Amino acid sequence: QQKVQQSPESLIVPEGGMASLNCTFSDRNSQYFWWYRQHSGEGPKALMSIFSNGDKKEGRFTAHLNKASLYVSLHIKDSQPSDSALYFCAKSNTGYQNFYFGKGTSLTVIP
Amino acid sequence: EAGVTQSPRYAVLQEGQAVSFWCDPISGHDTLYWYQQPRDQGPQLLVYFRDEAVIDNSQLPSDRFSAVRPKGTNSTLKIQSAKQGDTATYLCASSPRAPEVFFGKGTRLTVV
Repeated sequence: QQKVQQSPESLIVPEGGMASLNCTFSDRNSQYFWWYRQHSGEGPKALMSIFSNGDKKEGRFTAHLNKASLYVSLHIKDSQPSDSALYFCAKSNTGYQNFYFGKGTSLTVIP
Repeated sequence: EAGVTQSPRYAVLQEGQAVSFWCDPISGHDTLYWYQQPRDQGPQLLVYFRDEAVIDNSQLPSDRFSAVRPKGTNSTLKIQSAKQGDTATYLCASSPRAPEVFFGKGTRLTVV
């Protein structure tokens, strides 16, 4: 089973603060990476993708990928209470087959 | 555009009972996935289809779980004799020919 490790397991940040979520993977053939967000009682929803090494910014969210280091991260700037959710890192080798998910990071943003 | 639809949303069973979950993927998506998500964990693949063909069911407990997608559209996941360890949310997801997966809201199963 391919490994996707996420850290930390849980994270509490104040409103307006920066949240940083980390993900490491074991398979150097991994090509496609996604961050998903899941609010309580809902299915996971795609937040953003990153397929190339470097940074990708979408609004308050910045993803970073380093395939050589087998590492991807997500940074949430100016965190809002509505960002409180479970965040999953997911990866796929070909993009057209199974996506492997980490166990998730539970983010709580305190007003 | 309608999303992935799953039913029922909730199910409560006694051990040994059977249950079926139904999934209607996004129209035009040829790939359909069933994931199991235990409480406070990430989704874990059970089985996935491309059209009506099973591509990978290696993680499906074959003695009690079965899944079909006979016409390459809707799909049913069945648990023949539920165990307490099956308590989890069962997520259906679909994907077009692109690296993105769209999830339904899931069926929360409790086996007592």
